Amino acid sequence: TQLLEQSPQFLSIQEGENLTVYCNSSSVFSSLQWYRQEPGEGPVLLVTVVTGGEVKKLKRLTFQFGDARKDSSLHITAAQPGDTGLYLCAGAGGGGSNYKLTFGKGTLLTVNP
Amino acid sequence: NAGVMQNPRHLVRRRGQEARLRCSPVKGHSHVYWYRQLPEEGLKFMVYLQKENIIDESGMPKERFSAEFPKEGPSILRIQQVVRGDSAAYFCASSPQGDNSPLHFGNGTRLTVT
Repeated sequence: TQLLEQSPQFLSIQEGENLTVYCNSSSVFSSLQWYRQEPGEGPVLLVTVVTGGEVKKLKRLTFQFGDARKDSSLHITAAQPGDTGLYLCAGAGGGGSNYKLTFGKGTLLTVNP
Repeated sequence: NAGVMQNPRHLVRRRGQEARLRCSPVKGHSHVYWYRQLPEEGLKFMVYLQKENIIDESGMPKERFSAEFPKEGPSILRIQQVVRGDSAAYFCASSPQGDNSPLHFGNGTRLTVT
């Protein structure tokens, strides 16, 4: 059974601070996706990383895929209250099927004004 | 452009009743996936369907659960004789292709079994 461990589970910070959340696994994935989920809504895809060592930037968000394609991180610069939400990582390619995503339990981020 | 539409948003059933959850994918998407999110748990894959075909149901309990995606109409996830442990948020996602295509998720159906 493949597992994705996300840390920290909860994070509460002040507006303007920087933060990093982590997604780790002992398994190799063909790609890794990051989603954000608001209360009462479905996950919304932020980014997909495919190549080991890949770095992608989305405004103040920086995503990195580990060289071995087992782990990933999300760094947010100068966090804003609008960044509040549940951040989920999901790995594809486990068990030979690229359509089946393995999700972590998420990091619940609260950015206080 | 409408995204993935799920209904109902909230569903309350008594133990032993049947629950039917509907999902209309993004227009033009022929691949549908169902995931379940239990309290304190991550999203878990249940089933992957294409039009009129079940491709992978390895994540779906063998008993009481079934899914279909007919040629016309929405995809249906059916849970017979519900039990309290079925209480969860059920999310549907769609994609234009299989394999590594980005998933578009609906807002889920929150099932409560009393």
